[in-house]
Amino acid sequence: DIQMTQSPSSLSASVGDRVTITCRASQSISSYLNWYQQKPGKAPKVLIYAASSLQSGVPSRFSGSGSGTDFTLTISSLQPEDFATYYCQQSYSTPRYSFGQGTKLEIK
Amino acid sequence: EVQLVQSGAEVKKPGESLKISCKGSGYSFTSYWIGWVRQMPGKGLEWMGIIYPGDSDTRYSPSFQGQVTISADKSISTAYLQWSSLKASDTAMYYCARRIQVWPYYFDYWGQGTLVTVSS
Repeated sequence: DIQMTQSPSSLSASVGDRVTITCRASQSISSYLNWYQQKPGKAPKVLIYAASSLQSGVPSRFSGSGSGTDFTLTISSLQPEDFATYYCQQSYSTPRYSFGQGTKLEIK
Repeated sequence: EVQLVQSGAEVKKPGESLKISCKGSGYSFTSYWIGWVRQMPGKGLEWMGIIYPGDSDTRYSPSFQGQVTISADKSISTAYLQWSSLKASDTAMYYCARRIQVWPYYFDYWGQGTLVTVSS
């Protein structure tokens, strides 16, 4: 199975900061990488798909990049509503859509 | 409007059986794969398996193969996740999610989650 590893596991930042979260796959997954945001008590919500495509309705301060094994999610200017947990997910090895372990973004 | 509505919270004892549901509406239920995801208390998301309601083709994560059964009834646009003998370690929130039809196969709509508590 493809293992997905995120770093860091947690992150403290302030409103207005630029934040980057990294996701690494155990083997090449081309651009089959998606990012989800989950707030406490809520279902996950897709932000970025195919490594760099912004889901409709998602603010443009979110962006994604990468291919192969290394990917990043960047939030250009943190807003209060962005404090949440972020997960990467590979969709290369269908139907075993493994997730990263998550990155909890907290207010500094 | 696309919706996935899951059944309500359950409290069960170890050894009991359980079947939870996920009802789709607002789209062609038989044309999209539906997946199930586990989230144990305070933990991350774990992929369990997926079903294509059109023909009930089902695939499982190796970690969950033999531990749960995924099924669907296309006549009522509902997917199911069931256990024959629950363990305390099955205590978790369970989500269903719809997979888009083409590459890159992400999950665009999610149910609200079903909390399963297994305790003696």
